[in-house]
Amino acid sequence: DAKTTQPNSMESNEEEPVHLPCNHSTISGTDYIHWYRQLPSQGPEYVIHGLTSNVNNRMASLAIAEDRKSSTLILHRATLRDAAVYYCILRDRDNYGQNFVFGPGTRLSVLP
Amino acid sequence: EAQVTQNPRYLITVTGKKLTVTCSQNMNHEYMSWYRQDPGLGLRQIYYSMNVEVTDKGDVPEGYKVSRKEKRNFPLILESPSPNQTSLYFCASSRRTDSYGYTFGSGTRLTVV
Repeated sequence: DAKTTQPNSMESNEEEPVHLPCNHSTISGTDYIHWYRQLPSQGPEYVIHGLTSNVNNRMASLAIAEDRKSSTLILHRATLRDAAVYYCILRDRDNYGQNFVFGPGTRLSVLP
Repeated sequence: EAQVTQNPRYLITVTGKKLTVTCSQNMNHEYMSWYRQDPGLGLRQIYYSMNVEVTDKGDVPEGYKVSRKEKRNFPLILESPSPNQTSLYFCASSRRTDSYGYTFGSGTRLTVV
């Protein structure tokens, strides 16, 4: 199974941009890159996903490297509510059920 | 509101007493899955279901059963709970294609004494 690597923790100041990196050097051509976050005492929450092109939504932006071996989740202006664990996950388009693996993720702290 | 509903939110039970954690989604999703979350181990998949009457084991299925008789419901059954099944459990669902992400429930915190 394709795996991802993320830093254990990151820190940001409130209202500043945050760039959360993810390495996935063994990604296959049919793997989508998904990002989820988990706020304290809540279930994981979908943030964004993409295949090859950069993606934007109301929550964040996803920048995908040209070789697709890494990606970056961008929070344009961090708020205290963005403090959470962020997970980068690969989901095989052709095997969507199995092995949707959550790694340890990156714990983001936002300082006021 | 589109959501995944788990019940109960909290449960304390004794070893060996059968229990069921219910999961229901109102989004007509084909795919449903159960995870457990433990400190230091992250989220691990227990069972998943591609559609009605189609289920398969995830990474940690021992001690659990599931059924998918209806599209909206995916109950998790612990026939004989043991203390090592004390955990935080999440149900999730998604559309069949990868154009969609998962929607997770709010979680069930289970304690087996």
